[in-house]
Amino acid sequence: DAGVIQSPRHEVTEMGQEVTLRCKPISGHNSLFWYRQTMMRGLELLIYFNNNVPIDDSGMPEDRFSAKMPNASFSTLKIQPSEPRDSAVYFCASSYPDRADGYTFGSGTRLTVV
Amino acid sequence: GQQLNQSPQSMFIQEGEDVSMNCTSSSIFNTWLWYKQEPGEGPVLLIALYKAGELTSNGRLTAQFGITRKDSFLNISASIPSDVGIYFCAGSRGGAGNMLTFGGGTRLMVKP
Repeated sequence: DAGVIQSPRHEVTEMGQEVTLRCKPISGHNSLFWYRQTMMRGLELLIYFNNNVPIDDSGMPEDRFSAKMPNASFSTLKIQPSEPRDSAVYFCASSYPDRADGYTFGSGTRLTVV
Repeated sequence: GQQLNQSPQSMFIQEGEDVSMNCTSSSIFNTWLWYKQEPGEGPVLLIALYKAGELTSNGRLTAQFGITRKDSFLNISASIPSDVGIYFCAGSRGGAGNMLTFGGGTRLMVKP
């Protein structure tokens, strides 16, 4: 199993540009989560999907952030327009529903907005 | 925001020493988990605990699910340099999607 695959690993962009982060969950996992990690705020849940449907997006910072899961094997997190304070490591994780031990993280995307 | 208080925030210890870290919450969780994150990678599950009072080991690691279901601790015995990383506790209330709440992490540094 290749695990949860995120791309790109690193992204440097200018303020105001659109950024798209991508995630391929583990095959068979029905739940998908997007987290953001910063030194100040630690790991923050942004949004999670169950069976491709967004269940809780209360962690999405503002309207500049949007996430989609068009099918069971792909999700995107988009920031438009990006701002320097969006700089962080963004993680995607997937799991089997109702099993906390099935939570697997990707390697993350380090985003730097200059 | 975070609902789990994890301590200490960081530890700098000598190789061979034992390590202890804990996590407390104001509310009950049905599952407690401990993750380790190494530089440049995502957190990896170390131990999962499912019952109040449960004590589980994984090699040199031992974790316990508190009786009140509001706390958990992780011990590492005889630390080695590769134990370096950030350790996170996480709690789940179960249910569809098994959303996890994470603690702030304990950064462990081991001096050879």
